[in-house]
Amino acid sequence: SQKIEQNSEALNIQEGKTATLTCNYTNYSPAYLQWYRQDPGRGPVFLLLIRENEKEKRKERLKVTFDTTLKQSLFHITASQPADSATYLCALDSNSGYSTLTFGKGTMLLVSP
Amino acid sequence: DAMVIQNPRYQVTQFGKPVTLSCSQTLNHNVMYWYQQKSSQAPKLLFHYYDKDFNNEADTPDNFQSRRPNTSFCFLDIRSPGLGDTAMYLCATDFSSARTGELFFGEGSRLTVL
Repeated sequence: SQKIEQNSEALNIQEGKTATLTCNYTNYSPAYLQWYRQDPGRGPVFLLLIRENEKEKRKERLKVTFDTTLKQSLFHITASQPADSATYLCALDSNSGYSTLTFGKGTMLLVSP
Repeated sequence: DAMVIQNPRYQVTQFGKPVTLSCSQTLNHNVMYWYQQKSSQAPKLLFHYYDKDFNNEADTPDNFQSRRPNTSFCFLDIRSPGLGDTAMYLCATDFSSARTGELFFGEGSRLTVL
């Protein structure tokens, strides 16, 4: 069955450093992958989308890579700030014939001053 | 501002007492989704509407029903909530049949079943 794995342990980094979060998947051939940010008690907010034929996507301090051979996406936040502290979810299209997404559990990022 | 609005934000109900959660959107999106997210878990798709067409996920319990009376509104009905239904319920929309759309989420309705 399809499986999405994100590091369940929180990632603690210091302000100014680059945060790197990992999303691995198995039994999947997604056409695209998305990253969302979720603050406690709130709904997820879309950040970036990367397609299967794209290796890398950037948006301001964010960078996403997509390696369909390794079945892995890396999500980077450069020059991290305490305001970046949140849970980051990756999501893949579910190949169900509709544009539905399957989400990972997310990784909590804590950026300390 | 165009957005997805969920009501209520917080709901406490007793075991077995029906509850209805609502979602409205001003984005004029044709697809609306309901996700269930338990504590520290991934959002799990319950069902979605593509226009008026209802699409149920295979493992969504019969206890969960949905209605979409018009483009803007969608409801989640839990007929006989159990303790295991305590969760955040997230409504999301997109305007897509092209499998590329980002989802626009509401702030969620946190349901507690006692």
